[in-house]
Amino acid sequence: GAGVSQSPSNKVTEKGKDVELRCDPISGHTALYWYRQSLGQGLEFLIYFQGNSAPDKSGLPSDRFSAERTGGSVSTLTIQRTQQEDSAVYLCASSADTYGYTFGSGTRLTVV
Amino acid sequence: GEDVEQSLFLSVREGDSSVINCTYTDSSSTYLYWYKQEPGAGLQLLTYIFSNMDMKQDQRLTVLLNKKDKHLSLRIADTQTGDSAIYFCAVTDSWGKLQFGAGTQVVVTP
Repeated sequence: GAGVSQSPSNKVTEKGKDVELRCDPISGHTALYWYRQSLGQGLEFLIYFQGNSAPDKSGLPSDRFSAERTGGSVSTLTIQRTQQEDSAVYLCASSADTYGYTFGSGTRLTVV
Repeated sequence: GEDVEQSLFLSVREGDSSVINCTYTDSSSTYLYWYKQEPGAGLQLLTYIFSNMDMKQDQRLTVLLNKKDKHLSLRIADTQTGDSAIYFCAVTDSWGKLQFGAGTQVVVTP
């Protein structure tokens, strides 16, 4: 597609439920990032995929968070047993090189 | 790890120039970026500069890089109300990972 696509755009879930957030990067982009932006806050790095290398998971806040990238393309961020503090906008970005990262519009997650 | 710092707020009158400043700690940063985020929207890449440059100009935007002081700035000439947004400074670390500052909220007043 023309841009980075994220789905769903909005997700409301009950505390304790699992959620899956999807990111479709731009075709051919080898690098993919997940970030989290809480209300009024900056961007918090979560995880980074680069080609076939092992992902950099150093930003994942707890073991309830996991992500995978299938076939070097689509990525899914999974949050298990959601908590209220997980409420945020989850942003995905992809890049073909070391510049020009393109961000998706994000998934707004609300845990009630 | 990389630290990227920005001032949190800037108020500017319409027609004036805005200057947003950013400092970073990793001297191996290769690319440095400015992103814009309008309310309720995603991040839009405004411009970037390679670390071997000290200035880049693109229409109303001027990026200055002082590599010795690890200081990056974005100047917006003739600031308009549509420039009201949050501006994020971002740099690549030695692993190519993108690190963001907390963002500077720019408010343009008539």
